[in-house]
Amino acid sequence: AAGVIQSPRHLIKEKRETATLKCYPIPRHDTVYWYQQGPGQDPQFLISFYEKMQSDKGSIPDRFSAQQFSDYHSELNMSSLELGDSALYFCASSPAGKDEQFFGPGTRLTVL
Amino acid sequence: QKEVEQNSGPLSVPEGAIASLNCTYSDRGSQSFFWYRQYSGKSPELIMFIYSNGDKEDGRFTAQLNKASQYVSLLIRDSQPSDSATYLCAAEYNFNKFYFGSGTKLNVKP
Repeated sequence: AAGVIQSPRHLIKEKRETATLKCYPIPRHDTVYWYQQGPGQDPQFLISFYEKMQSDKGSIPDRFSAQQFSDYHSELNMSSLELGDSALYFCASSPAGKDEQFFGPGTRLTVL
Repeated sequence: QKEVEQNSGPLSVPEGAIASLNCTYSDRGSQSFFWYRQYSGKSPELIMFIYSNGDKEDGRFTAQLNKASQYVSLLIRDSQPSDSATYLCAAEYNFNKFYFGSGTKLNVKP
């Protein structure tokens, strides 16, 4: 079965650089979520999109922005990267009308 | 106070025993609750979801919800060493906004 695809899987950036993370939801899933998970921590909800519109926001810094495109894929743009942004970034998607989230493999971002 | 609270563990049980994982949540408006299993360095994997008070069974897993007490639990029967992982409880707070607990680490000893 198709799963959520995230790219890249690993990313190394310098401080103050920018990064773009991509997420391709499971086909026919209309909702996308982004989470940040630091080492030994629980996933922190960043932002969600439903039918290409921002649905809700969590603890997403102002330096980050995201959008969902017409083909339902989503991108998380991160600017002025800080050391503390180093984490696993997960994307999850839900099928239409349901809340169950299916997570992608994650992008491990390291900021040096 | 976190919106979703879990005992971090580790919870150690012998193989074949019942593992009981607990979770409390703070927002009475939450309607949907989820249990995820996460192996180290991997993504969370959905185990169970529950919306109504009472029990919901799926194979070796039983989720229990008590909205009056704002309490969710997960029982794992006949625990196996492969069940050793961190179990995350999650609650939906608004439409498409979720909070996770900090997870309970389960260790099933052969």
